[in-house]
Amino acid sequence: AQSVTQLGSHVSVSEGALVLLRCNYSSSVPPYLFWYVQYPNQGLQLLLKYTSAATLVKGINGFEAEFKKSETSFHLTKPSAHMSDAAEYFCAVSPPTEAGTALIFGKGTTLSVSS
Amino acid sequence: DVKVTQSSRYLVKRTGEKVFLECVQDMDHENMFWYRQDPGLGLRLIYFSYDVKMKEKGDIPEGYSVSREKKERFSLILESASTNQTSMYLCASSFYVRQRDNTEAFFGQGTRLTVV
Repeated sequence: AQSVTQLGSHVSVSEGALVLLRCNYSSSVPPYLFWYVQYPNQGLQLLLKYTSAATLVKGINGFEAEFKKSETSFHLTKPSAHMSDAAEYFCAVSPPTEAGTALIFGKGTTLSVSS
Repeated sequence: DVKVTQSSRYLVKRTGEKVFLECVQDMDHENMFWYRQDPGLGLRLIYFSYDVKMKEKGDIPEGYSVSREKKERFSLILESASTNQTSMYLCASSFYVRQRDNTEAFFGQGTRLTVV
């Protein structure tokens, strides 16, 4: 069965600092991978996705993530944090070969940005 | 833009009431999902549907049922609401067959349900 682990339920950075949110997956085949962001009292918005093309994926708002098969990781990064990046971030996985299946989510990481 | 619309942003219901949460999508997606979100637990799948009148149990189906009579609409039903069902409920939709450019799920704004 597939699973996702997000290391660190809460990450705090200063404005302008590097953001690194960690995600590791468990899957017998390379899956599709996603990062979603959730602002307070809102639904989830897709930041970026990996679908077996380029291993370095660029998303919205300056975020990017790198798929590393050897490490079964898909960590999310942003070179310089902005106050508006404060939100909850979810990593998700789905099998690439099964139709009609649901995304499996990690437990989320709350990002705080201080001035 | 893809739109997934949940009928209510906030609901307050009494214990024992039958509660309906409605979700509508306009992208002709085959898959529709109901998740429950609680602090520290992330998103947990309650039920999903990959076609009209079809449903599959997720990880936490107890106390819930669903209805999908039309492709664009997916309803979550709490047969007899209890206080432990107080939570944020998120509806999502996606295409049935995931191809490279259409792999993600799209989410509604969420319904925050409080059962008193």
